[in-house]
Amino acid sequence: NAGVTQTPKFRILKIGQSMTLQCAQDMNHNYMYWYRQDPGMGLKLIYYSVGAGITDKGEVPNGYNVSRSTTEDFPLRLELAAPSQTSVYFCASSYSVGGRDEQYFGPGTRLTVT
Amino acid sequence: RKEVEQDPGPFNVPEGATVAFNCTYSNSASQSFFWYRQDCRKEPKLLMSVYSSGNEDGRFTAQLNRASQYISLLIRDSKLSDSATYLCVFHSGNTPLVFGKGTRLSVIA
Repeated sequence: NAGVTQTPKFRILKIGQSMTLQCAQDMNHNYMYWYRQDPGMGLKLIYYSVGAGITDKGEVPNGYNVSRSTTEDFPLRLELAAPSQTSVYFCASSYSVGGRDEQYFGPGTRLTVT
Repeated sequence: RKEVEQDPGPFNVPEGATVAFNCTYSNSASQSFFWYRQDCRKEPKLLMSVYSSGNEDGRFTAQLNRASQYISLLIRDSKLSDSATYLCVFHSGNTPLVFGKGTRLSVIA
């Protein structure tokens, strides 16, 4: 099993550009999440999904969009990138939304917006 | 009061030392508690769950105090490889996990 994979690993965007961060998991998990982590700070939840076709906002959804057309994939779309979106983005998945189930993280995408 | 509060550290300890971190949470309805570990420039990974009666995994001991609303992590005989950031995590109901900002530990030779 590859677990949770993310692409790209690194990206530099110019202000106003758009991009999609890819996330895939092969563990047949229902739940998937997108977090951002600014330097020296904790994880902030952007969006999450409880299954294909269902998504919900987290703590910091503004400036982002998500879709969940399959169980495996959960892409994050940045429209009109801003310097405030410079961060490390982690995708994660779990069998359930919490409880005793471990949340597995991908290796992250380091994004710089200049 | 913030949902979860951790001392950011850093805690600088010599090899072989015992070190403990606490984490307080504000939601009394919290049901599940965890410690995750995050190495520098890496993703977080589950270190251990925290059970009501306390639990141990090798050199690591986790405790839960519901009355005072905090969890703790004790590391005995610290190794250089224990250097990382330790994230306090809790969960309630059907909401996603809530992560603390983490406590940074540096174990020095």
